[in-house]
Amino acid sequence: DGGITQSPKYLFRKEGQNVTLSCEQNLNHDAMYWYRQDPGQGLRLIYYSQIVNDFQKGDIAEGYSVSREKKESFPLTVTSAQKNPTAFYLCASSTLQGWSATNEKLFFGSGTQLSVL
Amino acid sequence: GIQVEQSPPDLILQEGANSTLRCNFSDSVNNLQWFHQNPWGQLINLFYIPSGTKQNGRLSATTVATERYSLLYISSSQTTDSGVYFCAVARAGGTSYGKLTFGQGTILTVHP
Repeated sequence: DGGITQSPKYLFRKEGQNVTLSCEQNLNHDAMYWYRQDPGQGLRLIYYSQIVNDFQKGDIAEGYSVSREKKESFPLTVTSAQKNPTAFYLCASSTLQGWSATNEKLFFGSGTQLSVL
Repeated sequence: GIQVEQSPPDLILQEGANSTLRCNFSDSVNNLQWFHQNPWGQLINLFYIPSGTKQNGRLSATTVATERYSLLYISSSQTTDSGVYFCAVARAGGTSYGKLTFGQGTILTVHP
């Protein structure tokens, strides 16, 4: 089955600890994204990547880091610098068609709920 | 950045009723998508519709790009339609590839 797999489903972070959220896709999509969702809120973009070994900051990148060493994988690290990490984290992917890259439909994983101990 | 406003924020329906959800945006867009988030958090892509009209079963959507709004119609609603509906857009021009800005969502509750 093609899709986006996020793990773990639930994650707990101790103060001062870095934690890494996994995101893998087998849709052969070029672009991958990380969004954060707080209760009762819309989604906010953390980081995105259009090609391997390249990524850009989104609107709320502070306290987070990413890597894109493989097309299929886009892990997100929540560092100790992120003072309010409790949220639902969603990974997404899409194709990029043509130079303008406008015809994209976004597909999401099932999310990781991160809580602070 | 681009602003996205969804209305109403909450909607409660009886099963079988019809509804219209609205999404207003503040700038020209080249990408607009509607999503449904189920009670378990999974986001499902309903429509990619930067302009025009599309239909998929009981759901249809219309975007009037020149007037900067989109509508999502749900007919003969079912309890499984409950959840949060999000509109997301990307501003036309620039390098906003895939950088969707999400609205705050409409919470739909369908009672049996």
